[in-house]
Amino acid sequence: DTAVSQTPKYLVTQMGNDKSIKCEQNLGHDTMYWYKQDSKKFLKIMFSYNNKELIINETVPNRFSPKSPDKAHLNLHINSLELGDSAVYFCASSQVVHEQYFGPGTRLTVT
Amino acid sequence: GEDVEQSLFLSVREGDSSVINCTYTDSSSTYLYWYKQEPGAGLQLLTYIFSNMDMKQDQRLTVLLNKKDKHLSLRIADTQTGDSAIYFCAETYGGATNKLIFGTGTLLAVQP
Repeated sequence: DTAVSQTPKYLVTQMGNDKSIKCEQNLGHDTMYWYKQDSKKFLKIMFSYNNKELIINETVPNRFSPKSPDKAHLNLHINSLELGDSAVYFCASSQVVHEQYFGPGTRLTVT
Repeated sequence: GEDVEQSLFLSVREGDSSVINCTYTDSSSTYLYWYKQEPGAGLQLLTYIFSNMDMKQDQRLTVLLNKKDKHLSLRIADTQTGDSAIYFCAETYGGATNKLIFGTGTLLAVQP
């Protein structure tokens, strides 16, 4: 059973397009996260939701909008994609902060 | 600040011990962590240490914490080729928030 799953695994798109990445966890956790890992492997938190409420919103462009329809899902919608958005995006979930479970990642390439 | 620093690369021979170092910034961090990322995969939590401890051992892994110097290390005994990966240290930041600040990552290459 996959604990934290993301779709798609790979996403190639052109500048200016709008795209979404979906995340689902079947662990019953209350908190979910989105992280961005750049080409140098630097990993930074973008958003965190607890019971469908936004609790962390880092300095991320307004083009990025997370949505949590329920506790088990946290989707990431990106408008007007730019070259600099190319990265690997990881979803994670936790019940307590020190046990975050990560998804396999979505590699986004903007051309 | 939120910088968590690690050396970029470490190369060891199979069977040797590996020591990966990390310096963090937030002295109020409650927990400090080590995560492992294999190629093309997500991060996997290896171990964590509570800030009032100075050492934790878990099979081949030993974590040492020096709070005075804000220095964290991960020792892997009898390093195997399967240990080749990027290792990230991380700290909690900002008290009660569920926020992890990750280090810059250390690529461990294990030579057979």
